Amino acid sequence: DIQMTQSPSSLSASEGDRVTITCRASQGVSDYLAWYQQKPGKPPKLLIYAISTLQPGVPSRFSGSGYGTDFTLTISSLQPEDVATYYCQKYNSAPWTFGPGTKVEMK
Amino acid sequence: DVQLVEAGGGLVHPGESLRLSCAASGFSFDVYSMAWVRQAPGRGLEWLSYISSSGRTTYYEDSVKGRFTISRDSAKNSLFLQMTSLRDEDTAVYYCARDYKRSNYLLGAFDVWGQGTTVIVSS
Repeated sequence: DIQMTQSPSSLSASEGDRVTITCRASQGVSDYLAWYQQKPGKPPKLLIYAISTLQPGVPSRFSGSGYGTDFTLTISSLQPEDVATYYCQKYNSAPWTFGPGTKVEMK
Repeated sequence: DVQLVEAGGGLVHPGESLRLSCAASGFSFDVYSMAWVRQAPGRGLEWLSYISSSGRTTYYEDSVKGRFTISRDSAKNSLFLQMTSLRDEDTAVYYCARDYKRSNYLLGAFDVWGQGTTVIVSS
């Protein structure tokens, strides 16, 4: 099975900072890569699918890039409401594995 | 509004069974594949099971294969997860989730999630 890793596991940044989260797959997943945001006590929210396609309603400060095995989620200007844990997920085939998550906190 | 509402969680002893349900509303349930995802306390997301829109194709994560059964009833707009031989490590919040596009195939990214139902397995 393909394993997903994320780095860092947590980060602290100031409002307005550019934040970058990396996701790596142990084998290529083509463009079948999604990103989710989860706030405490809430279900996950799909932010991005197909590496870089934003779900409707997702602010444009979120963007995704990469291909194959290495992917990046970028928040161009961190806002207080972005404090959350972010998960990548590969969905090219079963099992539809999630990464371990990156917790984003505000300084 | 598009909505998923899970029910059926609770406290059970190891080895016991539980059936979770997920009621869908606000969309054409029968044209979307559906999944169950769980999250153990303080842990990340774990995909568990997936069922195609027709119900003819199912997948399971290895740790629940043979113990959990996913099913759906389009007449009731409902998704189910029958869980047997429950273990301590099955303790988690269980979410149902919808495929992000209507399709006859399993796509695997999830755009609508329920609020979750909590399952606690403890002696």
